[in-house]
Amino acid sequence: GAVVSQHPSRVICKSGTSVKIECRSLDFQATTMFWYRQFPKQSLMLMATSNEGSKATYEQGVEKDKFLINHASLTLSTLTVTSAHPEDSSFYICSARPGQGGSNQPQHFGDGTRLSIL
Amino acid sequence: LAKTTQPISMDSYEGQEVNITCSHNNIATNDYITWYQQFPSQGPRFIIQGYKTKVTNEVASLFIPADRKSSTLSLPRVSLSDTAVYYCLVGDRVSGTYKYIFGTGTRLKVLA
Repeated sequence: GAVVSQHPSRVICKSGTSVKIECRSLDFQATTMFWYRQFPKQSLMLMATSNEGSKATYEQGVEKDKFLINHASLTLSTLTVTSAHPEDSSFYICSARPGQGGSNQPQHFGDGTRLSIL
Repeated sequence: LAKTTQPISMDSYEGQEVNITCSHNNIATNDYITWYQQFPSQGPRFIIQGYKTKVTNEVASLFIPADRKSSTLSLPRVSLSDTAVYYCLVGDRVSGTYKYIFGTGTRLKVLA
């Protein structure tokens, strides 16, 4: 149980392209999903918290107009990297927490999306 | 915020028990402690979660002292396939939103 699917797994595209990444909780509902970025040999950095039916909460230093987040249903959140540039190349990972309430529900992660901007 | 500190790397041999300790001095009263395993180019995989004392599942044990300022992940009889990065994560709810700060993680290398 608690499977999170992330798609696509890899994207290679030209500079200036917008890229959409989908994150789905397959066997549970998630009012809260999270988006992380991870550079090689580094830890995960939280970018934003995606809340179903409301605006995402972005971490300091993350441009909300650059990284558009939509959480349209209890099982789907999307991250769109707009007008991507080479410095946006990274490994993007989403996670989802089952249900609502306190922090006793662990996050479950997707398998990430490797984004390479040429 | 509940920042975590772990050893950067550890080496072990197959069949040995491995204990990885995480320090989280600023853990909040309601926070749980969660451990994840990450292989290259994959998302973190949930291993175990606990609040206090000891938790055991089919793959690991988690020991949490009474003050909850640290926790220890115990992997019994590791194999080569346990070579990965291990993260402890403590959630922190600030003004109604969640702040999760991953530490550096511990890079475990299991040797034959």
